[in-house]
Amino acid sequence: DQQVKQNSPSLSVQEGRISILNCDYTNSMFDYFLWYKKYPAEGPTFLISISSIKDKNEDGRFTVFLNKSAKHLSLHIVPSQPGDSAVYFCAANYGGATNKLIFGTGTLLAVQP
Amino acid sequence: DAGITQSPRHKVTETGTPVTLRCHQTENHRYMYWYRQDPGHGLRLIHYSYGVKDTDKGEVSDGYSVSRSKTEDFLLTLESATSSQTSVYFCAISETGAGNSPLHFGNGTRLTVT
Repeated sequence: DQQVKQNSPSLSVQEGRISILNCDYTNSMFDYFLWYKKYPAEGPTFLISISSIKDKNEDGRFTVFLNKSAKHLSLHIVPSQPGDSAVYFCAANYGGATNKLIFGTGTLLAVQP
Repeated sequence: DAGITQSPRHKVTETGTPVTLRCHQTENHRYMYWYRQDPGHGLRLIHYSYGVKDTDKGEVSDGYSVSRSKTEDFLLTLESATSSQTSVYFCAISETGAGNSPLHFGNGTRLTVT
């Protein structure tokens, strides 16, 4: 049972445009959400996080939006750059003492020059 | 890099043989994790540690054991490797735990069981 879902396996965007990556979750107890980026032959790298008390968090070109009622979060990258081409994973946790971070299946983003 | 070294980076082994993967950190973080990455499944937690000699199971712990005898090292052992354990294995560390701080990952070990 996939508790964190990324329904788009891949996304292609032109350089300079906005990339929007989506993630849905099923467990309403999740209260801490993260996005990771992964290049081939490397480990995932933390990008940005958001707790359930917020609905938006920004860090430079990256913004994460959380819609708790829809159990949906999204990552916006503006403007997209070729170096952003990677696999993006969303992840969720119950927070507090729980250490079981649950990952989605990933979305491969290709930014075309 | 977050000071995480995984060894070996690549390994090919035969079905039925024992295999041990090592994760070494220089950050003195309390929490350490082992994940596996497979197509169509993302990353799945195998085991984690919340201190020396303190470990717990993750989502896919069957066929795996772990040990942590000192803060900096977390070992993952496949007692008798099977082809279904062919995967990329990632170690991760966290200062305060996955509930409220990000995990930082090593560069992975690619394991092939023939």
